[in-house]
Amino acid sequence: GAVVSQHPSWVICKSGTSVKIECRSLDFQATTMFWYRQFPKQSLMLMATSNEGSKATYEQGVEKDKFLINHASLTLSTLTVTSAHPEDSSFYICSATRQVRDEQYFGPGTRLTVT
Amino acid sequence: DQQVKQNSPSLSVQEGRISILNCDYTNSMFDYFLWYKKYPAEGPTFLISISSIKDKNEDGRFTVFLNKSAKHLSLHIVPSQPGDSAVYFCAASDYTGNQFYFGTGTSLTVIP
Repeated sequence: GAVVSQHPSWVICKSGTSVKIECRSLDFQATTMFWYRQFPKQSLMLMATSNEGSKATYEQGVEKDKFLINHASLTLSTLTVTSAHPEDSSFYICSATRQVRDEQYFGPGTRLTVT
Repeated sequence: DQQVKQNSPSLSVQEGRISILNCDYTNSMFDYFLWYKKYPAEGPTFLISISSIKDKNEDGRFTVFLNKSAKHLSLHIVPSQPGDSAVYFCAASDYTGNQFYFGTGTSLTVIP
């Protein structure tokens, strides 16, 4: 089956620093990748949609300069949280699809804690 | 390999009838399970959860059943309504909650 991995699975960083989260499709080419943020027992909030080779489309209310998304290849998308603050502490999940309207394959998530 | 599987990619049900969505998992360390509902162009919405100490959790029209020995959970929607038409994802995590494993989703269509 299609597998999506995320790295790291858990990261702690200091306030003001930047942290990069990787999302990889291990055995398929992902034309589209999605980044979500989840708060405890709440819905997954779609942050942005990224297509390989083009700029990410951000959802309303998501700061583009703070959450930098790069989809440089068909198997890798990265989310960089810049100048992290404690309120950025959350669970970040990516998903990937092979083509539009295809099933979404989710990564296991990355727990970010900003101290 | 997928640790959470939803083997039915789609399901159609008549309005008013029961919808049953199934989910299987392989990791016996999973002890917390969630169901999400997703409309097109939106993020998944949390629906209902269950911990492994229970075998049933009910919230209005939605009931989740957990069979730990079979590593199987199901979501029952009774009665089904056209507005329930969406993609449903199940997800599981272990006690740390540091990682969530999602199924690939089941697209439910409720026919008026």
